[in-house]
Amino acid sequence: QSALTQPPSASGSPGQSVTISCTGSSSDIGGYNYVSWYQHHPGKAPRVMIYEVSKRPSGVPDRFSGSKSGNTASLTVSGLQAEDEADYYCSSYTASNNFYVFGTGTKVTVL
Amino acid sequence: QVQLQESGPGLVKPSETLSLTCTVSGGSVSSGFYYWGWIRQPPGQGLEWIGYIYYTGSANYSPSLKSRVTISVDTSKNSFSLKLSSVTAADTAIYYCARFYYYDSSGDYPCYFDYWGQGTLVTVSS
Repeated sequence: QSALTQPPSASGSPGQSVTISCTGSSSDIGGYNYVSWYQHHPGKAPRVMIYEVSKRPSGVPDRFSGSKSGNTASLTVSGLQAEDEADYYCSSYTASNNFYVFGTGTKVTVL
Repeated sequence: QVQLQESGPGLVKPSETLSLTCTVSGGSVSSGFYYWGWIRQPPGQGLEWIGYIYYTGSANYSPSLKSRVTISVDTSKNSFSLKLSSVTAADTAIYYCARFYYYDSSGDYPCYFDYWGQGTLVTVSS
């Protein structure tokens, strides 16, 4: 199955906001709310930041928020901090294969 | 605190079978709320779902890997395993095991990986 589409990179200065998109289809993002977002620092295990489109697990700062419109999900990081510099991946259930798929990944740089 | 640890050979020859085990501590693979999964990341590339398994042995695999993948669970050892057959250089990757939070007691389906192993690099080379 095809990966969900994310922009390769995004950037912002400390204190600013950055929004990452994740585009799929009606078989995945558009049809279900099983969208999650992961932060991945190289050499470390990925960490979930958002699940079910917009829910935050305990311990995740409220600077991280998620939303969805049609076939596109978005992750917004507000008040950017140096430690937010990482790769971010979306993931969604896909009915086309009754499985799950990751996005292509976005490298966020804090300028 | 739940911890997962991958183990297995770091070097596999082409055409052979890659075998990894994930040992879980601080939690039980027999819990009905979770699935147990494998994810990989080839060098310089993104994350890829491989598959996941329930404690009953029911498993689901990536369509692109389905013909070569087997995931099994051993409740007596509180672990689960991955076997990937007929490997090529394209299977060189960091392999992660993780717990998939599938169902909670309120009737919700969170559907996300909440605990991960640190990952293990497997290189396919002769």
